[in-house]
Amino acid sequence: GAGVSQSPRYKVTKRGQDVALRCDPISGHVSLYWYRQALGQGPEFLTYFNYEAQQDKSGLPNDRFSAERPEGSISTLTIQRTEQRDSAMYRCASSHSSYNSPLHFGNGTRLTVT
Amino acid sequence: AQSVSQHNHHVILSEAASLELGCNYSYGGTVNLFWYVQYPGQHLQLLLKYFSGDPLVKGIKGFEAEFIKSKFSFNLRKPSVQWSDTAEYFCAVSGTGANNLFFGTGTRLTVIP
Repeated sequence: GAGVSQSPRYKVTKRGQDVALRCDPISGHVSLYWYRQALGQGPEFLTYFNYEAQQDKSGLPNDRFSAERPEGSISTLTIQRTEQRDSAMYRCASSHSSYNSPLHFGNGTRLTVT
Repeated sequence: AQSVSQHNHHVILSEAASLELGCNYSYGGTVNLFWYVQYPGQHLQLLLKYFSGDPLVKGIKGFEAEFIKSKFSFNLRKPSVQWSDTAEYFCAVSGTGANNLFFGTGTRLTVIP
């Protein structure tokens, strides 16, 4: 079946612009996660949802970052007034349940802020 | 605070050599442990996981890992690597019952034919 789909695959934007990154999880997966991975680092947790409810947003670095999953399926991660330090790979993952269930990752969106 | 340490940043091996990648974690409570692999140009994939029970877990492609609670370790092993094992390997931990993962910085493995 289809895996986790993220779009766009690459995004180049100018500093100060807003960007929206999309994640389409595996159909039927309850939980959805956003991670950010800087070059040479492991993925860093940002936030996650069970269905449409945002359960934990403790990893969002500041209030320029927000995420939503209004219908419990597709999710959007929005970064307002982008800065160069926001450049990274943004990874989305989904899991079948919210309990002891492995994460399935998408290919990621490579964001470059110039 | 939770953290995962992978001490080997880049490992270079010849085919048929044995592999062991170190992973140590710090977490306040019982844990689930994972190894993920990222092949060149592909997404992160689950290699193996430990939730409970036998501390020696076997994953795909001949990989295994051993959970040693007293050492807070979950090292990844493979007796004989292949060129196709060239990839980046990430160790990760979550709290028992939780799914959000904390990752190490990764180990890049290069296998020379």
